[in-house]
Order: sequence, then structure tokens, then C-alpha cells
Amino acid sequence: AQRVTQPEKLLSVFKGAPVELKCNYSYSGSPELFWYVQYSRQRLQLLLRHISRESIKGFTADLNKGETSFHLKKPFAQEEDSAMYYCALSGGNTPLVFGKGTRLSVIA
Amino acid sequence: EAGVVQSPRYKIIEKKQPVAFWCNPISGHNTLYWYRQNLGQGPELLIRYENEEAVDDSQLPKDRFSAERLKGVDSTLKIQPAELGDSAVYLCASSLMRVEKTQYFGPGTRLLVL
Repeated sequence: AQRVTQPEKLLSVFKGAPVELKCNYSYSGSPELFWYVQYSRQRLQLLLRHISRESIKGFTADLNKGETSFHLKKPFAQEEDSAMYYCALSGGNTPLVFGKGTRLSVIA
Repeated sequence: EAGVVQSPRYKIIEKKQPVAFWCNPISGHNTLYWYRQNLGQGPELLIRYENEEAVDDSQLPKDRFSAERLKGVDSTLKIQPAELGDSAVYLCASSLMRVEKTQYFGPGTRLLVL
């Protein structure tokens, strides 16, 4: 069975500090991993996906199959990064399975 | 482009009443999803359509929930009768094709059952 675990419900950091949002997954096959973000009063939207290996808004995420993790990182947090972040997994043709989400609060 | 459109945005009903949600996906998107998001949880898939065919409805509580996507465009999700535990945000999403995992979400319908 597919499962996504985001261990932190809330993460507070100061502006300019590094950010790491943790995501661990359980899947026996070859997964596709995603990070979705929901800013205040906006709809859920894709932030990045591991197969594109790109940096979006300064965020990066590396798939570590040995540790079954897909942590989201940014070297210097900005106030506009405050949002709800969801890690999601898909295996092959299976639907996305979302984690419970982590609320990031960047303090000025 | 308007993106995925959902209505209503909010709905308050009494238990045992029926309720329906409507979704219009992005033009040209063949795949449509309905999710339920309970408070403090991530979205959970209820049903997925490929054009007008429901290809994954294993998580849809079929005793009270039904959905349709006539003509393979817009879709309706219905609950009859609603229960207190159905209070949640109902999200609709669409994607260009089955293997395209980038889903575009609507704003959601917040349902409160009293």
C-alpha cells in the first residue's frame, strides 16, 4: 500500500533561515513524488515533482530511495513561503496519495 | 483561462438532506478527480474519470455518494442523505491525460452538515 508521512503539522522558522519540510513514503515499486502547496485563500497547486529535478521559488527536493524520503528544502525562507505544503506519491497508474500536510510559518 | 471551476463554494445543510457539487474542468482535460479533504488531513480521492468513464471509484461510499460526468466534460458529485461526518472540503481536479500527474485543483466546496 502507498503511504505518505509528513511528521510535522507545523513548522515555524525565521525569515532568512533554512527550511526543510520532511516527507517519507512507503511504496514497494518505483514512485513518483510531488510537492503541492496551498497559499492562504488560494487553491492547491503543484510546486514541484521529482522527475523534473527543477527548483521552483527557490525550493528543491531530492528523492532518496534508500531512506524513502522526499524532503523539501529552501536555503533562505521568505515570508511569502508561509503556506500549507503537501507531499504526494503516485505509483505507476495509481492515483495520488497525499500526506496530511505541514503548515510552514515564516516569522519576520 | 479560468482554471477548474466549482460551485457552490460553501454549503450548509441539515443531516439527511441531499447535496450536490458541480465541477467544470480545464478545457481539454480528459481526466477529472473528486477528492474529499477532512480537517487536518490531505485530500483523499473519491473517484477518477477518464472522459465519461469512472475508472477508479473504490473509495466512493456508494451507499450515499454518486457521481456522473455526462459528455466527458463537467461533473456532479451528490450525497444523499448527508451525514454529520460528511462535513469536509470537496475538491475537484483535472489533468490533461491519465499519465499526466500534474493535477489542477479547483477552489473546493466547503460542506457543513448540521
